[in-house]
Amino acid sequence: DVKVTQSSRYLVKRTGEKVFLECVQDMDHENMFWYRQDPGLGLRLIYFSYDVKMKEKGDIPEGYSVSREKKERFSLILESASTNQTSMYLCASSLTDRANNYGYTFGSGTRLTVV
Amino acid sequence: KQEVTQIPAALSVPEGENLVLNCSFTDSAIYNLQWFRQDPGKGLTSLLLIQSSQREQTSGRLNASLDKSSGRSTLYIAASQPGDSATYLCAVVSNTGKLIFGQGTTLQVKP
Repeated sequence: DVKVTQSSRYLVKRTGEKVFLECVQDMDHENMFWYRQDPGLGLRLIYFSYDVKMKEKGDIPEGYSVSREKKERFSLILESASTNQTSMYLCASSLTDRANNYGYTFGSGTRLTVV
Repeated sequence: KQEVTQIPAALSVPEGENLVLNCSFTDSAIYNLQWFRQDPGKGLTSLLLIQSSQREQTSGRLNASLDKSSGRSTLYIAASQPGDSATYLCAVVSNTGKLIFGQGTTLQVKP
């Protein structure tokens, strides 16, 4: 089975800190995604990547950046954490590009609290 | 812009009941539709994936159908159990390649 591993289940950071959320997948998927999930707002796409060193903005990229130096790893970076970035962050990967015939696989999530 | 709606938002049923969760989408130009389960505080677990050319998929007590022309999908759960209690999310892959989620249906199955 494909596994998407997020390095931390829970994180507490201070306002203004630089925060790295790491995601690793083990099945050679080309595509990787970062979502955040908030009550009442559902899942919203932050950034995604179709290949190494490629990145595209999702629906809510402000305050975030990403890095994909290796195919299996996709990092989400909060340059200067703020309290409104307190959320559940979910990483996902998929095998194909737009046809996406194999579905998406999600990680177990990182609950980030910014104080 | 593709929008995905799930009705009802919450559902409570007694154990053993068969139930149907609904998902509708506004743009029929989708590549596929995926149903997920999410337990509180956890990530998403894929339940069923239906390709745009398919009408339904089955896995155990779960059956998902897809009617692209009407923009609808249903998830049927047979003989519900307390362990089925979770939030169920419907998501479509749009023609832009993005996965777009509904708000979810929170299911409680009472013993």
